[in-house]
Amino acid sequence: EDQVTQSPEALRLQEGESSSLNCSYTVSGLRGLFWYRQDPGKGPEFLFTLYSAGEEKEKERLKATLTKKESFLHITAPKPEDSATYLCAVQDFYGGATNKLIFGTGTLLAVQP
Amino acid sequence: GAGVSQSPSNKVTEKGKDVELRCDPISGHTALYWYRQSLGQGLEFLIYFQGNSAPDKSGLPSDRFSAERTGGSVSTLTIQRTQQEDSAVYLCASSSMGQGGNEQFFGPGTRLTVL
Repeated sequence: EDQVTQSPEALRLQEGESSSLNCSYTVSGLRGLFWYRQDPGKGPEFLFTLYSAGEEKEKERLKATLTKKESFLHITAPKPEDSATYLCAVQDFYGGATNKLIFGTGTLLAVQP
Repeated sequence: GAGVSQSPSNKVTEKGKDVELRCDPISGHTALYWYRQSLGQGLEFLIYFQGNSAPDKSGLPSDRFSAERTGGSVSTLTIQRTQQEDSAVYLCASSSMGQGGNEQFFGPGTRLTVL
């Protein structure tokens, strides 16, 4: 059964204190791994898609990396505006034509000034 | 903007009542998804529409839940005889079809509270 586990559940950082969020996954065949950001009361906002082990993508202070078992979201020198819940999701290649996303429960990040 | 829109943003109803939630996908997106986000849980897939194909209803939790998509665009999720456990945020997403994994873009959600 496809499964996504995110850790830690919550993370508190000081402004400028770099860290990483973890997403461990189990799928029959990985079609894609997705990172989203979700602010309170809003829908998830797309950040990155990763397709194969070794792939990396960057956007401002965020960098996502992928191995065959997990993905990391690295946050470099975070700012208070980076505070949000970060969601990881996978698509299973053998999930048929649906392409549904299987989500983890997220990491709640708080960056204090 | 040209994002996914949902209405209403909030819905409070009494147990046993029916509710309808609406989703307007991004123009030109052929795939539409409904998910449910309950407190402390990850997003849960409900139903998927793609063009004129039969929808994938495998995620619907009970026969009280149904959805339709008219004209390949707007979708309505209906919950009949609502129960307190139906309280959640209902999110709609759309995507364009392509090779490999394709990004899904989410609306702001409808927060449903069943009293």
